[in-house]
Order: sequence, then C-alpha cells, then structure tokens
Amino acid sequence: DAGVIQSPRHEVTEMGQEVTLRCKPISGHDYLFWYRQTMMRGLELLIYFNNNVPIDDSGMPEDRFSAKMPNASFSTLKIQPSEPRDSAVYFCASSLAKGLLNTEAFFGQGTRLTVV
Amino acid sequence: GESVGLHLPTLSVQEGDNSIINCAYSNSASDYFIWYKQESGKGPQFIIDIRSNMDKRQGQRVTVLLNKTVKHLSLQIAATQPGDSAVYFCAEKAAGNKLTFGGGTRVLVKP
Repeated sequence: DAGVIQSPRHEVTEMGQEVTLRCKPISGHDYLFWYRQTMMRGLELLIYFNNNVPIDDSGMPEDRFSAKMPNASFSTLKIQPSEPRDSAVYFCASSLAKGLLNTEAFFGQGTRLTVV
Repeated sequence: GESVGLHLPTLSVQEGDNSIINCAYSNSASDYFIWYKQESGKGPQFIIDIRSNMDKRQGQRVTVLLNKTVKHLSLQIAATQPGDSAVYFCAEKAAGNKLTFGGGTRVLVKP
C-alpha cells in the first residue's frame, strides 16, 4: 500500500480564495483524521470520520472550514474563504479499529498551505 | 511538516547515549498511547504504542513507560543515533478513537 496520500503537497493562494485539500486513506482503514500543524499550536485535531461519517468536528475552527468523506477512499477539507491565519501544514491520517482495540494512525506527508 | 516552534522543548544528547523523552497526558480515560517521530518535511511516523493495561513495552531500541497514577508517559531511546534527530510527540486515545497529541519535544543528537 502506498500509505495515506495527500494532495497537493504545497498550496499558495490569495486571501479570500477557496482551498480544497484532498486525502486518500489507506485501503481498508475505517477512521480518517484531519489535523492542522502550526508553530504556535502544534498538532490540532480538526475532525475525524468513522466509516465515512463525521464523528467529532469540535476542532474545526470556524464555519469557513468544512470536511467531507463521500466514500471510504476519499476525503476533502475545504476552506472558504481562506485567510492568512489559515497558513499551516494540514495532515490527513487513517487508522483501523480492530474491534475494541485501538491501533496507530498512519499519516500522510501533509499539505503546506500558505495564504497570502 | 513544520513541527518546530519557538516554545518546543529541546533535548540535546550525545550520539551513543540514551535519550528519555517525557510526556504528561491529560485524560484519565485515555486507554491507548502512541509515540510518533516527525522529521522535517514529513508527517508523524509511528514508533511504538502501549495500552493502558500495561506499564512498559519494548521495541527495537525504544521503550515506552506508562504511569497511570500520575498520567505520565516516557519514551526511552537506547544508543541514540544521528537519525534519531527529530521531533517526538506523544498521543493519547480516549473513547471514540479520538487521537490527541502533546506539544512535542525536539531531540538533537550531537556527533
């Protein structure tokens, strides 16, 4: 398996523009997580899905952020309109819950977003 | 991945020495803990995990210790190598499989 795949790797956009980040989780994984990483706040969980259903979106900072998972192999994180303070590295991760046992989450390489 | 920060604690260690990285977690209901390593420009990479019914777990050159009484987790790296230079994060999972990360510790290995 190629691991968690994110695109694009880098995105530079102007303030006010819509940004869409994409993620393909590891095949067979039933959990998908979106994280944001900044120098000041570290790794923050934005939202996570189980079997394509959003479970907890309490980390989504504002209504400008939205995430979808239309099927088991694809998820998007959208920011509209984007602002300079949204500049960060956005990570997608996936994991497999084996019954009651938790397992580790595997991370993609991240998307570095710069809003100017 | 931009994992460094002005306030990130740093551990400097001589090559060949052992490293100990500490982490305090917040949720007493957390039942699963993971250590991740993040190198510059990459996503966090799994190192080792431990469940709450264990106190210690060993991997290859790494050992994780869990003290539930004081909600403390540590990662020990034996014979630290230059390739171990990175930022290390502890993460905890509570009900619902929600994975929450600590602030991270930068490890610098001196030759």
